[in-house]
Amino acid sequence: DIQMTQSPSTLSASVGDRVTITCRASQSIGRWLAWYQQKPGKAPKVLMYKATSLESGVPSRFSGSGSETEFTLTISSLQPDDFATYYCQQYNNYPTFGPGTTVDMK
Amino acid sequence: QVQLQESGPGLVKPSETLSLTCTVSGDSISRNYWTWIRQPAGKGLEWIGRIYGSGSANYNPSLRSRLTMSVDTSKNQFSLNLSSVTAADTAVYYCARGDSRAETYYKYLEYWGQGTLVTVSS
Repeated sequence: DIQMTQSPSTLSASVGDRVTITCRASQSIGRWLAWYQQKPGKAPKVLMYKATSLESGVPSRFSGSGSETEFTLTISSLQPDDFATYYCQQYNNYPTFGPGTTVDMK
Repeated sequence: QVQLQESGPGLVKPSETLSLTCTVSGDSISRNYWTWIRQPAGKGLEWIGRIYGSGSANYNPSLRSRLTMSVDTSKNQFSLNLSSVTAADTAVYYCARGDSRAETYYKYLEYWGQGTLVTVSS
């Protein structure tokens, strides 16, 4: 299995803050990484794919970077709708997810 | 617009088989990869497995011995059977469609159902 880790597990922030979440893979996955946003009681929604590509319809304040084993998701200016849990997922091999990062209100 | 809807029993007894169906609209089941994911309450996401419209499937190694997936092209549905369930299988189960880009063997998940809670309890 390719193990995925995320940091931090919880992040407290305010509207307008720049927010960065880190995801690490236990072995190289190239750029085959996706990011999802999940709100309570809802299905996850894809934000980014292939590490840096923005899914259609997702606001441009979201961006992704990284390759091989280290990746980041950045929200340039946090909006009220962005308080949620974020998961990374590798799909270089059979897919595995990170444990999630919850962004809550400071 | 692609839409997916999970259906099946919300309560399954220990040692029995969990069976779920996902009905797809807005796309043909014969194309793309169709995936099951689960999420225990308050926990993270686990990829269960996927099936292509032809019936070819890939399973999570940790579940492979208990897992069967199938497709019904006449109904535009795909299904999950997980045998010998225990309380550890209690979770929200999601069906999803893999991305349609022919860039890599495994896929990220573009479209998701709303999820269905399955509880394993006597």
